Amino acid sequence: EVQLVESGGGLVQPGRSLRLSCAASGFTFDDYAMYWVRQAPGKGLEWVSGISWNSGSIGYADSVKGRFTISRDNAKHSLYLQMSSLRPEDTAFYYCAKRGSGSYGMDVWGQGTTVTVSS
Amino acid sequence: QSALTQPRSVSGSPGQSVTISCTGTASDVGVFNHVSWYQHHPDKAPKLLLYDDTKRPSGVPDRFSGSKSGNTASLTISGLQDEDDADYYCCSYAGSYTWVFGGGTKLTVL
Repeated sequence: EVQLVESGGGLVQPGRSLRLSCAASGFTFDDYAMYWVRQAPGKGLEWVSGISWNSGSIGYADSVKGRFTISRDNAKHSLYLQMSSLRPEDTAFYYCAKRGSGSYGMDVWGQGTTVTVSS
Repeated sequence: QSALTQPRSVSGSPGQSVTISCTGTASDVGVFNHVSWYQHHPDKAPKLLLYDDTKRPSGVPDRFSGSKSGNTASLTISGLQDEDDADYYCCSYAGSYTWVFGGGTKLTVL
């Protein structure tokens, strides 16, 4: 079964850091680009960051550029999001998602992890 | 990176059809054939309905269809069913390895 499982969320003070992880199983992880997408309370989905299969291409939303770093470890079938200088507006449910075969769609999503930035 | 524009809400009765629009710009929707659509029920993971403007992943009913004209993409749901009651989001590739979502549309099945 294709599965993505996020972890690492929690309550953190403004200005601090947090690292999210996404463990992949059931597919050849290093064949696919991966993404982070978030949903703030009461808001819509927001694309946060993406990384190609070999980490050769990486992109960030303007709202997180310079503060968040996406990375992957293909040997460990894992995706990461290092979040620094966190702000209250980063409070959200964070999903990792897999790119579909031969498409730009996100065909598999994890169940998400909650990040709350508050003092 | 401005969010794509979707109507806040649409509604329809079972059996009817509804169309949700998604308006971007010549830098995203209008230039790339990479609009995707997602269905999102509360407390569940989003589900891919369409990708690359009009293509359906296996397992998605053909009641869901996509189209695009200029900077506006559309999702049409035919033969509405109760389980279609959900939030719907469009998403477009925006170049330079970035993507942008729409603000989301709440579909109410009356």
